[in-house]
Amino acid sequence: EAQVTQNPRYLITVTGKKLTVTCSQNMNHEYMSWYRQDPGLGLRQIYYSMNVEVTDKGDVPEGYKVSRKEKRNFPLILESPSPNQTSLYFCASSLNSYTGELFFGEGSRLTVL
Amino acid sequence: AQRVTQPEKLLSVFKGAPVELKCNYSYSGSPELFWYVQYSRQRLQLLLRHISRESIKGFTADLNKGETSFHLKKPFAQEEDSAMYYCALTSFSGGYNKLIFGAGTRLAVHP
Repeated sequence: EAQVTQNPRYLITVTGKKLTVTCSQNMNHEYMSWYRQDPGLGLRQIYYSMNVEVTDKGDVPEGYKVSRKEKRNFPLILESPSPNQTSLYFCASSLNSYTGELFFGEGSRLTVL
Repeated sequence: AQRVTQPEKLLSVFKGAPVELKCNYSYSGSPELFWYVQYSRQRLQLLLRHISRESIKGFTADLNKGETSFHLKKPFAQEEDSAMYYCALTSFSGGYNKLIFGAGTRLAVHP
């Protein structure tokens, strides 16, 4: 089944403890992106990648890192999480960077205490 | 700056009533607009895009450039339409089409 898979789906952690949220797609998509969803703010883009080894900042990149070593994977790294990074995170992919049709993962709910 | 505004956080209607989810945008060029939907316990998915001019699950949306709006409409709401709806536009910037989302409107359809 064609899909975007994120892990973990739920995570509670403490301030400063590094964590990684994995994202994998099996559709051979070039474009991948991370969003965070907060009440009243909708989805805001954190980072995106137009292809392997090509990544760039979105609207709210502070406190996050990403890498794109393989086409299918696009992990989101929080080196030193803080409570303001408590949020619902979505990974998405699309065929390329010119289509507006994104395929989303199921979301990862992160709580930082 | 490019922006998408969904003025209603919650829209509550009864089954069979007409539905209109409002979306206004600001964009300096020719936008491409989309509606995404997230049903309970499901992932966010594309509902429709304005260039397709199609009706999906009874929903339609017309781009009104004069009013800079892209409202989502359905003549008779069903309970299964209850979901979170996001309006989005693509903004060509930095060599790629960036998708900008509104804050979302929760539609609740009551029996």
